[in-house]
Amino acid sequence: QVQLQQSGPGLVKPSQTLSLTCTISGDTISSNSGGCNWIRQSPSRGLEWLGRAFYRSQWHIHYAESVKSRITINPDTSKNQVSLQLNSVIPEDTAVYYCAWGINWFDPWGQGTLVTVSS
Amino acid sequence: DILMTQTPLSMSVTPGQPASISCKSSQSLLQSDGKTHLYWYVQKPGQSPQLLISEVSNRFSGVPDRFSGSGSGTDFTLEISRVEAEDVGIYYCMHTMQLPYTFGQGTKLDIK
Repeated sequence: QVQLQQSGPGLVKPSQTLSLTCTISGDTISSNSGGCNWIRQSPSRGLEWLGRAFYRSQWHIHYAESVKSRITINPDTSKNQVSLQLNSVIPEDTAVYYCAWGINWFDPWGQGTLVTVSS
Repeated sequence: DILMTQTPLSMSVTPGQPASISCKSSQSLLQSDGKTHLYWYVQKPGQSPQLLISEVSNRFSGVPDRFSGSGSGTDFTLEISRVEAEDVGIYYCMHTMQLPYTFGQGTKLDIK
């Protein structure tokens, strides 16, 4: 049974970098069946898919156009983790950030991390 | 991007009564593989979203049979045959037809 555990700071200053980590247990991130997605939720934007990383003979990483210039998703097979970095954050990036496991559907989701962008 | 539109945005239901949520996509979600990539999630208060229904009508493991999904192409429906108190939450449809995946606005269900 796959479980996801998120970690990272809950407060980031404007213009700095948001960094979160999703640690996967119960499967390996380089399995040919799984994949890790990052999704955020805010009152103004609802649920917004940000990007994903999955392995099918090689790593495939995709980003939403809305954040493509600022986002990096990085798999770390040695730790079985997938990280999210979002650069140059602004107050509108304040949201609950989730990692979620899967390619066509998402199950399970991490516990969520409220990230507030404020000075 | 595919726009997902849910109606209603909120509903208050008496326990034991049925509930129905509509989800319309701005383009067909039928893939060339014959599958329709439409999913339903519920977010219960204070929790992360959890999968209810996959590929329009397949109940996920552990989901009670009072939940059912139907539809095709661009029009989809989630039905609860008899609402229970534990069904309180926000229900979302989502597509995985193409990137970016997008969600409906959510339908908040509460109990009368």
